[in-house]
Amino acid sequence: KQEVTQIPAALSVPEGENLVLNCSFTDSAIYNLQWFRQDPGKGLTSLLLIQSSQREQTSGRLNASLDKSSGRSTLYIAASQPGDSATYLCAVRGSGDMRFGAGTRLTVKP
Amino acid sequence: DTGVSQDPRHKITKRGQNVTFRCDPISEHNRLYWYRQTLGQGPEFLTYFQNEAQLEKSRLLSDRFSAERPKGSFSTLEIQRTEQGDSAMYLCASSLIQENTEAFFGQGTRLTVV
Repeated sequence: KQEVTQIPAALSVPEGENLVLNCSFTDSAIYNLQWFRQDPGKGLTSLLLIQSSQREQTSGRLNASLDKSSGRSTLYIAASQPGDSATYLCAVRGSGDMRFGAGTRLTVKP
Repeated sequence: DTGVSQDPRHKITKRGQNVTFRCDPISEHNRLYWYRQTLGQGPEFLTYFQNEAQLEKSRLLSDRFSAERPKGSFSTLEIQRTEQGDSAMYLCASSLIQENTEAFFGQGTRLTVV
């Protein structure tokens, strides 16, 4: 059974800092990995999808990498802003379902 | 298409009552997923459908839980004889069958059992 771990559980940074969120998974037989953002009490918003054959994906200030063989992905956020404050979740998709980590709660202080 | 829609957004029920939630996926999406999320945790997988077929169920889905997707479009999740431990956010997501496509989530149904 796929296990997904996210480190750190919480992170607080001053505005303008670059930061990295980590996601690791136990079974490398994945089809894709997707990063989501979740605001309190809300649903999940898709940020980036990395297919299993890709190493990297970029969208604006976000860059996600994938090393399938080592079971790791990182989400890099450049020049963080207070509006980036949210919980960030990674989800690993196998042949059927998607499995999530517990998330990293990010606070960006003005 | 306005995305994945869930109804109701909030539900308060007394212990022992039955509740039913509805999810309307993005119209061309073949796959539909149900998750449960409690405070401070990531979403826990419950079940998923491909068209009208329920392909996988988590062991979390006790016999009090049942899900259907009768025509391969909308889906319902029913919880019978609710317990306080059922209080959570219930999330629905949909995607195409192709493995290289994104999944999209609804806003969730917040269930409170009192």
